[in-house]
Amino acid sequence: GEDVEQSLFLSVREGDSSVINCTYTDSSSTYLYWYKQEPGAGLQLLTYIFSNMDMKQDQRLTVLLNKKDKHLSLRIADTQTGDSAIYFCAERGNYQLIWGAGTKLIIKP
Amino acid sequence: DTAVSQTPKYLVTQMGNDKSIKCEQNLGHDTMYWYKQDSKKFLKIMFSYNNKELIINETVPNRFSPKSPDKAHLNLHINSLELGDSAVYFCASSQDWGQTQYFGPGTRLLVL
Repeated sequence: GEDVEQSLFLSVREGDSSVINCTYTDSSSTYLYWYKQEPGAGLQLLTYIFSNMDMKQDQRLTVLLNKKDKHLSLRIADTQTGDSAIYFCAERGNYQLIWGAGTKLIIKP
Repeated sequence: DTAVSQTPKYLVTQMGNDKSIKCEQNLGHDTMYWYKQDSKKFLKIMFSYNNKELIINETVPNRFSPKSPDKAHLNLHINSLELGDSAVYFCASSQDWGQTQYFGPGTRLLVL
């Protein structure tokens, strides 16, 4: 069946780059998403990438897609304390999004 | 201009009670969802409605009953609340099935 996997935690120093990784199983997925959930808040769409793209950049965010390995990553440059959140990876399934468990990004001063 | 709104934001109630959570979206979307997020932050889909019709009904106790009076609203009624129902419930909507979803702020339910 469809499955999306992520590490549960990532700890980085403020100012460093954060790389959050995700693997998925459905090679026919057309869209892959990154959502951000700040403490006590709902999920916010951060960015998404279409399956025919390898990379998408949006300011400090870079999404890399390796379709052969079914691997998706989100790189946050110059990580700030405001980036502290849980980041969810999701792939588009038939009728719904298939969600990862979320990666909690912890920022060390 | 809130895109997806939920009420109430917090709900504290006793075991055995019946409660409802309301969701409204003003995005003109055709599909709406209910998710449950547990204490470990795992996100689990419960229901999905497309044009007021039930599309997804995951393994959820039948104490949970969604109702969609129109495309812009999807309410969740819970009968005989149990301790294990304590969680954050998120409503979301998308233009159509499986498309980009936009989330409400969540309803934090605590059953005592």
